[in-house]
Amino acid sequence: DQQVKQNSPSLSVQEGRISILNCDYTNSMFDYFLWYKKYPAEGPTFLISISSIKDKNEDGRFTVFLNKSAKHLSLHIVPSQPGDSAVYFCAASGRTGSNYKLTFGKGTLLTVNP
Amino acid sequence: KAGVTQTPRYLIKTRGQQVTLSCSPISGHRSVSWYQQTPGQGLQFLFEYFSETQRNKGNFPGRFSGRQFSNSRSEMNVSTLELGDSALYLCASSPDTRDGYTFGSGTRLTVV
Repeated sequence: DQQVKQNSPSLSVQEGRISILNCDYTNSMFDYFLWYKKYPAEGPTFLISISSIKDKNEDGRFTVFLNKSAKHLSLHIVPSQPGDSAVYFCAASGRTGSNYKLTFGKGTLLTVNP
Repeated sequence: KAGVTQTPRYLIKTRGQQVTLSCSPISGHRSVSWYQQTPGQGLQFLFEYFSETQRNKGNFPGRFSGRQFSNSRSEMNVSTLELGDSALYLCASSPDTRDGYTFGSGTRLTVV
């Protein structure tokens, strides 16, 4: 049962344009969402997060939007740069007992073409 | 500060053998989580340790086990290896905050 879904395995955009990566979740108990970026042969690195009490969070070129009613979030990268080419993982966190656990999607490979 | 260190980086094992992977967390981080990454499945949660106790567990068979030592270093063991266990195994440490996870570079396990 895939509780966090990234339905696009890959996305290709031109340098300077907007990249939009999408993520859907099914578990209503998730209340905190994160995006991680992963280069080959490296571990994932934290990019940006959003709490369920917000619908938008911005950090430089990266913005995450959350639509709770649709159980959908998206990551916007503007403008896209070739160095952004990586696998992007969406993750969701919910309380399990007294602590939290991250559940990841399968990832989307973003390729930014010069 | 030093990051999360995973050893070894690469490992080749034969079916039926067992393997132990090691993870040294960031100093001060008491939570260590393990994930398996395969091309078709993304990052799947194995288990989490906090202060030497397993606090969360994923849906993996009992062949996958782990432990955490008093210095927060963690080991993961896989017994009776199967070809399908070939994957990148990632460890993440956290000061027990929601966005405080820092991942290591992983151990690439190949079972032949």
